[in-house]
Amino acid sequence: SYVLTQPPSVSVAPGQTARITCGGNNIGSKSVHWYQQKPGQAPVLVVYDDSDRPSGIPERFSGSNSGNTATLTISRVEAGDEADYYCQVWDSSSDHQGVFGTGTKVTVL
Amino acid sequence: QVQLVQSGAEVKKPGSSMKVSCKASGGTFSSYAISWVRQAPGQGLEWMGGIIPIFGTANYAQKFQGRVTITTDESTSTAYMELSSLRSEDTAVYYCALPLRGSFFDYWGQGTLVTVSS
Repeated sequence: SYVLTQPPSVSVAPGQTARITCGGNNIGSKSVHWYQQKPGQAPVLVVYDDSDRPSGIPERFSGSNSGNTATLTISRVEAGDEADYYCQVWDSSSDHQGVFGTGTKVTVL
Repeated sequence: QVQLVQSGAEVKKPGSSMKVSCKASGGTFSSYAISWVRQAPGQGLEWMGGIIPIFGTANYAQKFQGRVTITTDESTSTAYMELSSLRSEDTAVYYCALPLRGSFFDYWGQGTLVTVSS
């Protein structure tokens, strides 16, 4: 089955840039979606189709995807960005299975 | 605006079954491709299965094959996820999620906590 690997944690000071990676075999050939989840809440979509933002998501959130790594970048980090972040793809090579990354806890120092 | 409202928390005995509902409002239910995602305490998100439009039927994660069944009732705009042979490791928050505008989950239910305990 397809595996998406994320770093367990990323720490960043307010105003700096956080980069969260999502590694998968040839992930650049897939559409990658990113979700933010705060404690006790349902996930929220922050980036879809590698680099598009839903309405209401700040421009500070951006994404890229190439080769074996997709990246979610949070610029000018704010305290409210502290959350867990998950990448997600569809694995059409194995009967169209949904796959989530292992998740990254972003801590704002 | 689409809303997904799930059924309430449950406590189940090991070996029993659970059935969680997800009622949709604000759109045309027949076009929905509901998926179910679970999250064990302190763990990450795990896709369990969903209605895949290109197949027209439910597709399940290999891990849950044979134990999970996803159904929909268009008359009530409700989706259901049934999981059988419950064990303690199935204790989790279960979410329904909807990929309305593409292959991404842009709408989520509020989550249903299911506790499996003797």
